[in-house]
Amino acid sequence: DAGVTQSPTHLIKTRGQQVTLRCSPKSGHDTVSWYQQALGQGPQFIFQYYEEEERQRGNFPDRFSGHQFPNYSSELNVNALLLGDSALYLCASSVQGGHGYTFGSGTRLTVV
Amino acid sequence: AQKITQTQPGMFVQEKEAVTLDCTYDTSDPSYGLFWYKQPSSGEMIFLIYQGSYDQQNATEGRYSLNFQKARKSANLVISASQLGDSAMYFCAMREFSNTGNQFYFGTGTSLTVIP
Repeated sequence: DAGVTQSPTHLIKTRGQQVTLRCSPKSGHDTVSWYQQALGQGPQFIFQYYEEEERQRGNFPDRFSGHQFPNYSSELNVNALLLGDSALYLCASSVQGGHGYTFGSGTRLTVV
Repeated sequence: AQKITQTQPGMFVQEKEAVTLDCTYDTSDPSYGLFWYKQPSSGEMIFLIYQGSYDQQNATEGRYSLNFQKARKSANLVISASQLGDSAMYFCAMREFSNTGNQFYFGTGTSLTVIP
């Protein structure tokens, strides 16, 4: 039973560019959440998707957007990258309303 | 105010000894959950233990136990019989079920090093 799969594992982008990160949830899970973890910090909630809609959003600018597909997989898009966007981006999947969340290993984004 | 506070940036423990990692939280929601996650260098957040705000007994999962003191708003993680593989970052987290139940609030983490 595969857990949460994220791709790519590492990514280097130039300031001002756009990036798309991908997440496949654990089998049986229908909800995907995204977190940003800056170096030396705890993860910060970006948003959560369920039934292909954004259900809740953290304190992140509109440059951060997402999408959920009918197969429950999800994408995180970041436009106009800033140096401060460099972080580990974690995807977590769950069953809507449940307590059990499964995290992926993350995508490490470096903006230069 | 910070929702979750972890005041120990780094901790060392001798192999086979017990260690306590501190966590305090702040919420006005009467229904909440407290979680501990382990994050090895690979990056994945591994769930360790959960305590609900209405649970009367402290949670235990194998070598992990959660010392829940509701009045003090603390939820310390106790790891017994430490092993070398326990060396990792440990994060305390909370979800508020009445309001923003969909998101975790994480602390800044504690780096645990187990010494042989």
